[in-house]
Amino acid sequence: GNSVTQMEGPVTLSEEAFLTINCTYTATGYPSLFWYVQYPGEGLQLLLKATKADDKGSNKGFEATYRKETTSFHLEKGSVQVSDSAVYFCALMDSSYKLIFGSGTRLLVRP
Amino acid sequence: EAGVVQSPRYKIIEKKQPVAFWCNPISGHNTLYWYRQNLGQGPELLIRYENEEAVDDSQLPKDRFSAERLKGVDSTLKIQPAELGDSAVYLCASSLSRTGFETQYFGPGTRLLVL
Repeated sequence: GNSVTQMEGPVTLSEEAFLTINCTYTATGYPSLFWYVQYPGEGLQLLLKATKADDKGSNKGFEATYRKETTSFHLEKGSVQVSDSAVYFCALMDSSYKLIFGSGTRLLVRP
Repeated sequence: EAGVVQSPRYKIIEKKQPVAFWCNPISGHNTLYWYRQNLGQGPELLIRYENEEAVDDSQLPKDRFSAERLKGVDSTLKIQPAELGDSAVYLCASSLSRTGFETQYFGPGTRLLVL
Protein backbone atom coordinates (compact mmCIF):
# COMPACT_ATOMS: atom_id res chain seq x y z
CA GLY A 1 0.00 0.00 0.00
CA ASN A 2 0.88 3.66 -0.04
CA SER A 3 3.30 4.87 2.61
CA VAL A 4 5.71 7.63 3.57
CA THR A 5 9.05 7.17 5.31
CA GLN A 6 10.87 10.05 7.02
CA MET A 7 14.21 10.24 8.73
CA GLU A 8 13.96 9.82 12.47
CA GLY A 9 14.60 12.71 14.76
CA PRO A 10 15.30 14.66 16.65
CA VAL A 11 17.46 16.70 14.35
CA THR A 12 19.47 19.25 16.33
CA LEU A 13 21.14 22.13 14.51
CA SER A 14 22.73 25.43 15.36
CA GLU A 15 21.15 28.60 14.06
CA GLU A 16 22.07 29.38 10.41
CA ALA A 17 22.96 25.74 9.67
CA PHE A 18 21.73 23.96 6.53
CA LEU A 19 18.76 21.66 6.98
CA THR A 20 17.79 18.50 5.14
CA ILE A 21 14.98 16.21 6.24
CA ASN A 22 14.69 13.12 4.07
CA CYS A 23 11.35 11.80 2.86
CA THR A 24 10.66 8.89 0.51
CA TYR A 25 7.34 7.47 -0.53
CA THR A 26 5.73 4.36 -1.94
CA ALA A 27 2.62 4.85 -4.02
CA THR A 28 0.83 3.77 -7.15
CA GLY A 29 0.62 6.45 -9.79
CA TYR A 30 1.84 9.97 -9.17
CA PRO A 31 0.52 11.33 -5.89
CA SER A 32 0.66 14.93 -4.73
CA LEU A 33 3.29 15.46 -2.05
CA PHE A 34 3.22 17.74 0.98
CA TRP A 35 5.22 18.98 3.92
CA TYR A 36 3.28 19.99 7.02
CA VAL A 37 4.74 21.64 10.12
CA GLN A 38 3.50 21.49 13.70
CA TYR A 39 4.80 24.22 16.01
CA PRO A 40 4.59 23.62 19.76
CA GLY A 41 1.00 23.94 20.98
CA GLU A 42 -0.38 24.57 17.49
CA GLY A 43 -2.17 22.59 14.80
CA LEU A 44 -0.62 21.20 11.65
CA GLN A 45 0.03 23.80 8.96
CA LEU A 46 0.76 23.23 5.30
CA LEU A 47 4.34 24.31 4.60
CA LEU A 48 4.62 23.49 0.90
CA LYS A 49 3.40 21.08 -1.72
CA ALA A 50 4.14 19.71 -5.21
CA THR A 51 1.63 18.06 -7.48
CA LYS A 52 3.77 16.56 -10.26
CA ALA A 53 7.24 15.27 -10.98
CA ASP A 54 10.05 17.87 -10.95
CA ASP A 55 7.81 20.46 -9.31
CA LYS A 56 9.50 22.45 -6.56
CA GLY A 57 7.43 23.62 -3.62
CA SER A 58 8.75 26.51 -1.57
CA ASN A 59 7.66 28.64 1.38
CA LYS A 60 9.36 30.59 4.20
CA GLY A 61 12.81 29.67 2.84
CA PHE A 62 12.01 25.94 2.77
CA GLU A 63 12.13 23.98 -0.50
CA ALA A 64 11.36 20.46 -1.65
CA THR A 65 11.51 18.95 -5.14
CA TYR A 66 9.29 16.09 -6.32
CA ARG A 67 11.71 13.42 -7.58
CA LYS A 68 9.87 10.63 -9.34
CA GLU A 69 13.00 8.64 -10.17
CA THR A 70 14.02 8.37 -6.52
CA THR A 71 10.46 8.61 -5.09
CA SER A 72 11.66 11.35 -2.77
CA PHE A 73 10.56 14.77 -1.53
CA HIS A 74 13.37 15.94 0.76
CA LEU A 75 12.87 19.17 2.71
CA GLU A 76 15.72 21.71 2.70
CA LYS A 77 16.45 25.14 4.11
CA GLY A 78 19.67 27.03 3.68
CA SER A 79 19.79 28.76 7.06
CA VAL A 80 17.56 27.66 9.92
CA GLN A 81 16.36 29.90 12.73
CA VAL A 82 15.36 29.11 16.30
CA SER A 83 11.76 29.80 15.28
CA ASP A 84 11.92 26.83 12.85
CA SER A 85 11.96 24.42 15.79
CA ALA A 86 8.92 22.20 15.24
CA VAL A 87 7.84 18.77 14.04
CA TYR A 88 7.82 18.32 10.26
CA PHE A 89 5.57 15.78 8.53
CA CYS A 90 5.90 14.56 4.97
CA ALA A 91 2.67 13.35 3.37
CA LEU A 92 1.21 12.11 0.12
CA MET A 93 -2.33 12.29 -1.19
CA ASP A 94 -3.49 9.03 -2.69
CA SER A 95 -5.92 8.50 -5.55
CA SER A 96 -8.90 8.66 -3.17
CA TYR A 97 -7.75 12.08 -1.89
CA LYS A 98 -6.63 10.68 1.46
CA LEU A 99 -3.54 12.20 3.09
CA ILE A 100 -1.02 9.61 4.27
CA PHE A 101 1.56 10.99 6.68
CA GLY A 102 5.02 9.96 7.71
CA SER A 103 5.83 9.65 11.40
CA GLY A 104 7.28 13.15 11.68
CA THR A 105 10.75 14.56 12.32
CA ARG A 106 11.39 16.86 15.26
CA LEU A 107 13.76 19.74 14.53
CA LEU A 108 15.46 21.61 17.35
CA VAL A 109 17.46 24.72 16.46
CA ARG A 110 19.79 26.09 19.11
CA PRO A 111 20.89 29.74 19.24
CA GLU B 1 -10.71 34.49 9.37
CA ALA B 2 -11.17 32.01 12.19
CA GLY B 3 -9.44 28.68 11.83
CA VAL B 4 -10.74 25.22 12.65
CA VAL B 5 -12.03 25.17 16.21
CA GLN B 6 -11.98 22.08 18.39
CA SER B 7 -13.11 21.39 21.91
CA PRO B 8 -12.22 20.32 24.44
CA ARG B 9 -8.45 20.69 24.11
CA TYR B 10 -7.79 18.04 26.74
CA LYS B 11 -9.85 15.20 28.14
CA ILE B 12 -9.04 12.59 30.77
CA ILE B 13 -11.48 9.74 31.30
CA GLU B 14 -11.53 6.24 32.72
CA LYS B 15 -11.80 3.28 30.41
CA LYS B 16 -15.32 2.20 29.45
CA GLN B 17 -16.55 5.79 29.77
CA PRO B 18 -17.97 7.65 26.75
CA VAL B 19 -16.31 10.75 25.31
CA ALA B 20 -17.17 13.22 22.57
CA PHE B 21 -15.15 15.72 20.57
CA TRP B 22 -16.53 18.72 18.73
CA CYS B 23 -15.24 20.47 15.61
CA ASN B 24 -16.26 23.67 13.86
CA PRO B 25 -14.62 23.93 10.43
CA ILE B 26 -13.65 27.06 8.55
CA SER B 27 -16.71 28.79 7.17
CA GLY B 28 -17.56 27.64 3.67
CA HIS B 29 -15.46 24.49 3.78
CA ASN B 30 -17.47 21.57 2.44
CA THR B 31 -15.06 18.81 3.36
CA LEU B 32 -14.34 17.84 6.96
CA TYR B 33 -11.88 15.24 8.21
CA TRP B 34 -11.25 13.52 11.53
CA TYR B 35 -7.75 12.15 12.12
CA ARG B 36 -6.18 10.28 15.02
CA GLN B 37 -2.55 10.91 15.90
CA ASN B 38 -0.84 8.43 18.18
CA LEU B 39 2.24 9.50 20.11
CA GLY B 40 5.26 9.77 17.84
CA GLN B 41 3.26 9.06 14.72
CA GLY B 42 1.67 11.00 11.90
CA PRO B 43 -2.09 11.55 11.74
CA GLU B 44 -4.27 8.77 10.31
CA LEU B 45 -7.63 9.48 8.71
CA LEU B 46 -10.68 8.16 10.54
CA ILE B 47 -13.50 9.65 8.48
CA ARG B 48 -14.11 12.24 5.79
CA TYR B 49 -17.33 14.16 5.15
CA GLU B 50 -18.48 15.89 2.00
CA ASN B 51 -21.14 18.22 3.39
CA GLU B 52 -23.38 15.93 5.49
CA GLU B 53 -22.30 12.69 3.83
CA ALA B 54 -19.58 10.43 5.22
CA VAL B 55 -17.75 9.46 2.02
CA ASP B 56 -14.81 7.60 3.54
CA ASP B 57 -15.16 5.90 6.92
CA SER B 58 -13.17 2.78 6.13
CA GLN B 59 -10.69 3.48 8.95
CA LEU B 60 -13.30 4.24 11.62
CA PRO B 61 -13.65 1.45 14.25
CA LYS B 62 -17.41 1.28 13.98
CA ASP B 63 -17.96 -0.92 17.00
CA ARG B 64 -17.13 1.94 19.34
CA PHE B 65 -16.63 5.09 17.25
CA SER B 66 -19.35 7.18 15.67
CA ALA B 67 -19.44 10.55 13.99
CA GLU B 68 -21.98 12.96 12.65
CA ARG B 69 -22.02 16.22 10.75
CA LEU B 70 -25.46 17.69 11.02
CA LYS B 71 -26.35 20.41 8.51
CA GLY B 72 -22.96 20.01 6.91
CA VAL B 73 -21.17 22.35 9.31
CA ASP B 74 -20.13 21.27 12.84
CA SER B 75 -19.13 17.71 13.53
CA THR B 76 -18.96 15.46 16.58
CA LEU B 77 -16.81 12.37 17.02
CA LYS B 78 -17.82 9.98 19.80
CA ILE B 79 -16.17 6.99 21.43
CA GLN B 80 -18.28 4.64 23.52
CA PRO B 81 -16.89 2.87 25.44
CA ALA B 82 -13.33 4.20 25.47
CA GLU B 83 -10.39 1.80 25.74
CA LEU B 84 -6.84 2.42 26.92
CA GLY B 85 -5.60 2.23 23.32
CA ASP B 86 -7.77 5.19 22.34
CA SER B 87 -5.39 7.59 24.08
CA ALA B 88 -4.24 9.89 21.28
CA VAL B 89 -4.71 13.35 19.80
CA TYR B 90 -7.86 13.66 17.70
CA LEU B 91 -7.50 16.21 14.92
CA CYS B 92 -10.17 17.84 12.84
CA ALA B 93 -9.39 19.41 9.47
CA SER B 94 -11.40 21.08 6.75
CA SER B 95 -10.95 22.07 3.12
CA LEU B 96 -12.97 23.77 0.40
CA SER B 97 -13.18 20.48 -1.48
CA ARG B 98 -11.61 17.06 -1.39
CA THR B 99 -9.14 17.35 -4.25
CA GLY B 100 -5.39 17.43 -3.93
CA PHE B 101 -5.34 21.05 -4.97
CA GLU B 102 -7.19 22.22 -1.88
CA THR B 103 -5.26 22.71 1.35
CA GLN B 104 -6.46 20.91 4.45
CA TYR B 105 -6.53 23.23 7.46
CA PHE B 106 -6.07 21.55 10.82
CA GLY B 107 -7.41 22.44 14.23
CA PRO B 108 -5.26 22.28 17.38
CA GLY B 109 -6.61 18.85 18.31
CA THR B 110 -8.11 17.23 21.40
CA ARG B 111 -5.66 15.28 23.51
CA LEU B 112 -7.40 12.26 25.05
CA LEU B 113 -6.01 10.23 27.92
CA VAL B 114 -7.84 7.06 28.90
CA LEU B 115 -6.92 5.69 32.34
